[in-house]
Amino acid sequence: EAGVAQSPRYKIIEKRQSVAFWCNPISGHATLYWYQQILGQGPKLLIQFQNNGVVDDSQLPKDRFSAERLKGVDSTLKIQPAKLEDSAVYLCASSLDSEQPQHFGDGTRLSIL
Amino acid sequence: QQPVQSPQAVILREGEDAVINCSSSKALYSVHWYRQKHGEAPVFLMILLKGGEQKGHEKISASFNEKKQQSSLYLTASQLSYSGTYFCGTTGAGSYQLTFGKGTKLSVIP
Repeated sequence: EAGVAQSPRYKIIEKRQSVAFWCNPISGHATLYWYQQILGQGPKLLIQFQNNGVVDDSQLPKDRFSAERLKGVDSTLKIQPAKLEDSAVYLCASSLDSEQPQHFGDGTRLSIL
Repeated sequence: QQPVQSPQAVILREGEDAVINCSSSKALYSVHWYRQKHGEAPVFLMILLKGGEQKGHEKISASFNEKKQQSSLYLTASQLSYSGTYFCGTTGAGSYQLTFGKGTKLSVIP
């Protein structure tokens, strides 16, 4: 089966600019996750969707980050405006449901100058 | 609350065994184990659920001590391909949020 697709793979922007990431989960997976992974640390959950509804966004910095999952399939994560501390790899994952294994995409490596 | 992993790093020769531990200060419902190679996505290894049900990888085993809120991942007869950073992620009762530890870097050398 096709895995989780993410784009772009790399992105370099200046602080205060905006950026958007896209994720296409594995077909049939109802649950979609966005994680932030800073170098040398484990992934940190930003937001979790069940179909097109938000299950958990308690760690999403809502003043600058937003995410949506239209029609319960693809998802986009946006940062506006970006700060230096947002430099990280942004991982998208999907699973059949919240108790099943999560399958990760290759991530987007974001560098803020 | 972030689970604590130990050791932080370990170096093995091919064929040796290793144990990676994951502990939490909160009551756990499930423990997930992933392996991540440099520059790649985390790959699922194992889920352990409260009550003993285990879903996982055929060549790697794990345990879940519900009383101590601890899990251990057992890697036997290590291969070069086992090298990478191992993360445990935990969920608590009533919470879907998976919280990952800081990882254990495993290096297998010939």
